[in-house]
Amino acid sequence: AQRVTQPEKLLSVFKGAPVELKCNYSYSGSPELFWYVQYSRQRLQLLLRHISRESIKGFTADLNKGETSFHLKKPFAQEEDSAMYYCALSNFGNEKLTFGTGTRLTIIP
Amino acid sequence: EAGVTQSPTHLIKTRGQQATLRCSPISGHTSVYWYQQALGLGLQFLLWYDEGEERNRGNFPPRFSGRQFPNYSSELNVNALELEDSALYLCASSPDRYQPQHFGDGTRLSIL
Repeated sequence: AQRVTQPEKLLSVFKGAPVELKCNYSYSGSPELFWYVQYSRQRLQLLLRHISRESIKGFTADLNKGETSFHLKKPFAQEEDSAMYYCALSNFGNEKLTFGTGTRLTIIP
Repeated sequence: EAGVTQSPTHLIKTRGQQATLRCSPISGHTSVYWYQQALGLGLQFLLWYDEGEERNRGNFPPRFSGRQFPNYSSELNVNALELEDSALYLCASSPDRYQPQHFGDGTRLSIL
């Protein structure tokens, strides 16, 4: 069965410090990995997906198949990064997307 | 563009009753997805509809069902409600199975 684990429920980081949100997965095969974000009073939205290999709002994530991880990173945290972040996995595109339980990131001014 | 709209915002039912939740996708989107977010759990995939057909479903009992109408709107039906069905139900839509999903605000279902 496919599973996504986000070990940190809460993460607090000072403004300007590096951010790393952890995501580990279990899946037999080649998954597609995503990061979704929900800002305060906004809807859940896609932040990035590994196949696009792009940086969104300064965030990047590298798929490490050996460690089955897809950690989200940003070198310098900004206050507007405070949000709930969900890692997600699918076997193909949007099909049967499996989400982790999320990490609430708080940026301390 | 108008986003994904869900109705009602809140729904209160008692055990054994039936609930119907509705979702209108973004214009031009043919795929509609339903998720359940119970307290303390991540979003769990429920159902995926595309072009009026159920394409896939998650690990939920048959009393969770739904349909997609010709205008691509969708409804989720939950029969024989149980206390553990209390959750936020999110709907999402996308132009196809590959494009990013756009989420609605959800319907909070409370079972008394």
